[in-house]
Amino acid sequence: EAGVTQSPTHLIKTRGQQATLRCSPISGHTSVYWYQQALGLGLQFLLWYDEGEERNRGNFPPRFSGRQFPNYSSELNVNALELEDSALYLCASSPPAEIKQYFGPGTRLTVT
Amino acid sequence: RKEVEQDPGPFNVPEGATVAFNCTYSNSASQSFFWYRQDCRKEPKLLMSVYSSGNEDGRFTAQLNRASQYISLLIRDSKLSDSATYLCVVRYMDSNYQLIWGAGTKLIIKP
Repeated sequence: EAGVTQSPTHLIKTRGQQATLRCSPISGHTSVYWYQQALGLGLQFLLWYDEGEERNRGNFPPRFSGRQFPNYSSELNVNALELEDSALYLCASSPPAEIKQYFGPGTRLTVT
Repeated sequence: RKEVEQDPGPFNVPEGATVAFNCTYSNSASQSFFWYRQDCRKEPKLLMSVYSSGNEDGRFTAQLNRASQYISLLIRDSKLSDSATYLCVVRYMDSNYQLIWGAGTKLIIKP
């Protein structure tokens, strides 16, 4: 069974640009979670999508947004990039009504 | 105060030793608990769930102390491959499936 996939693996942007990160959950999983992990820090919850709707949002500014598509894949958009947005962005998925999350390999975003 | 707190370490432990670390949580309504493992520059992977009565998986033992609001992870006969960051994860009853993550404890096993 294929795991959670994320693309791209690495992304380099300059300050002020926009970044789009993509995630495909495990087949049968309906929930997708996005996390930010800055170097040396813990996971910071960004967004949770389930059945195409945003269910919860972490303490991040509105320039962090996303969506979930009918096939349950998801996209994270970060507008007006700032240097401190440089981090590993992790996507996780879970099946319906299950707590455990299964992570993708992440997208490493570098803002210069 | 952070909702989930862990000693960041690093814990430097000789191979074959036993090591234990704790994680404290602030919300007494916490319902579910997990330990995840994260290797350097990799994604977190579920190590084990933590059950109220405590549970064991090979060399790993997890325990929950609701009265004192902490969970623990014990690793026996540590291997070099156990070197990683161990993340404590908590779910509250009112968080609608959202997990709260600790910042992790770094473990380094030395030969």
